[in-house]
Amino acid sequence: QVQLQESGPGLVKPSETLSLTCAVSGYAISSGYYWGWLRQPPGKGLEWIGSIDYSGNNYYNPSLKSRVTISVDTSKNQFSLKLSSVTAADTAIYYCARHVITMVRGVINNWFDPWGQGTLITVSS
Amino acid sequence: DVQMTQSPSSLSASVGDRVTITCQASQDISKYLNWYQQKPGKAPKLLIYDASSLEKGVPSRFSGSGSGTEFTFTIRSLQPEDIATYYCQQYDSLYSFGQGTKLEIK
Repeated sequence: QVQLQESGPGLVKPSETLSLTCAVSGYAISSGYYWGWLRQPPGKGLEWIGSIDYSGNNYYNPSLKSRVTISVDTSKNQFSLKLSSVTAADTAIYYCARHVITMVRGVINNWFDPWGQGTLITVSS
Repeated sequence: DVQMTQSPSSLSASVGDRVTITCQASQDISKYLNWYQQKPGKAPKLLIYDASSLEKGVPSRFSGSGSGTEFTFTIRSLQPEDIATYYCQQYDSLYSFGQGTKLEIK
C-alpha cells in the first residue's frame, strides 16, 4: 500500500524559501508514475503546484512556475518542493500525492491518489 | 485556464436522500474529470475518474456522469459517513479544481 508523508518547517518568514519533502513508502518512485504537490489555503479550495516523474521530468502550474522547483531523489524514495519568495498568500496545507497518468484501452486516466496527510505551512514574520 | 464551477457550494440533506452536485467547466473538457471526497481534517480521496468510472473500493452509491462542460456527481442514498466536502477536478488542460461542495446532514 502506497503511503506518502510530508515534512517541513511549519513556519516560514516572508520572502524566504519554503522547502518540503515527501517520503514515499510501499512503492519505489523509480518504478514509475508522476508525483505531485498540491496545496489548500485554510478554508479554501485545492490548487495543483506541480508534478515530477522518477527521471526528473517535471511541469508546473504556470501561475507559480517562476517560484517553484520540484526535485526527486530515488535513492531516498522521496521528492521535494521549493517555493521561493513566499508571502502570506502562500499560507496553506501542502499535500504530496501520487500522480497517476496512464492510458488504458485508449482512455486517458489522470488523477492524484493517494495523498499524504498534509502539512500546514504558515508564512509569517 | 479552465475554470471549474461547482454548485451548490453547500448542501444539507437527510440520511437516505439522493444528493446531486454539479460541476461546470469553462470549456469543453470531454470526459477528463475526477471527483474527490475530503473529510474534515483529512486529505482528499479519489472517488470517480474519467467522469463516470468508480474507483476500486468506493461504494456503489456514488456515481458520476456528464461530458463536455456539464458534469454531475450523485450519492444515491446519503449515509452519515458521507459528510465531507466534494471537489471536481479537470485534467484536460493541466489541472484545476472546483471550489468544493460542503455536504452536511440535516
